[in-house]
Amino acid sequence: GENVEQHPSTLSVQEGDSAVIKCTYSDSASNYFPWYKQELGKRPQLIIDIRSNVGEKKDQRIAVTLNKTAKHFSLHITETQPEDSAVYFCAASKTGGYQKVTFGTGTKLQVIP
Amino acid sequence: DGGITQSPKYLFRKEGQNVTLSCEQNLNHDAMYWYRQDPGQGLRLIYYSQIVNDFQKGDIAEGYSVSREKKESFPLTVTSAQKNPTAFYLCASRTPAGSGEQFFGPGTRLTVL
Repeated sequence: GENVEQHPSTLSVQEGDSAVIKCTYSDSASNYFPWYKQELGKRPQLIIDIRSNVGEKKDQRIAVTLNKTAKHFSLHITETQPEDSAVYFCAASKTGGYQKVTFGTGTKLQVIP
Repeated sequence: DGGITQSPKYLFRKEGQNVTLSCEQNLNHDAMYWYRQDPGQGLRLIYYSQIVNDFQKGDIAEGYSVSREKKESFPLTVTSAQKNPTAFYLCASRTPAGSGEQFFGPGTRLTVL
């Protein structure tokens, strides 16, 4: 089955700096890669996703890149703000039917004011 | 928020007791999922269901059972066979395959006394 590894497990950055979280996946058939943000005590919420036919996707300060050959994808947050502090999860799955979604172990991001 | 609800928010159980966690959604989604979240381990899939009266085991199904009698409801029973049930449990539903986003409920925190 699919295996998703996520690094780092914790990340501290100064406000205004950039943060990068990296994930690798094992199943070359996976073609959908979402990122979720979970604030303390709350539910995970989708912040951005990318499909395998695209190499990069941006949404304001957030971007995701995908390297299908190397089977890794990354989340980039620019101009970090204190409200970006949360746990971020990457995930991988196939589309076409209701497939399993495999999550990484999460990255706790702390933005220091 | 809204669309997918879980109850109760907190649940305490004595060892040897079965408990049932509720998950309801009004998003008209076919697929529903149960995850267990432990510190540092991300989201691990317990069971998922693609349609009414059908469900599949996830990665950590032992000691859990589910039912899917209605499209809107996907209750999870934590049985006495689950050796370490104390955790945060998240229910999710998923949009049709073309989109793929999962929507999560607010979670139930189960503590075994």
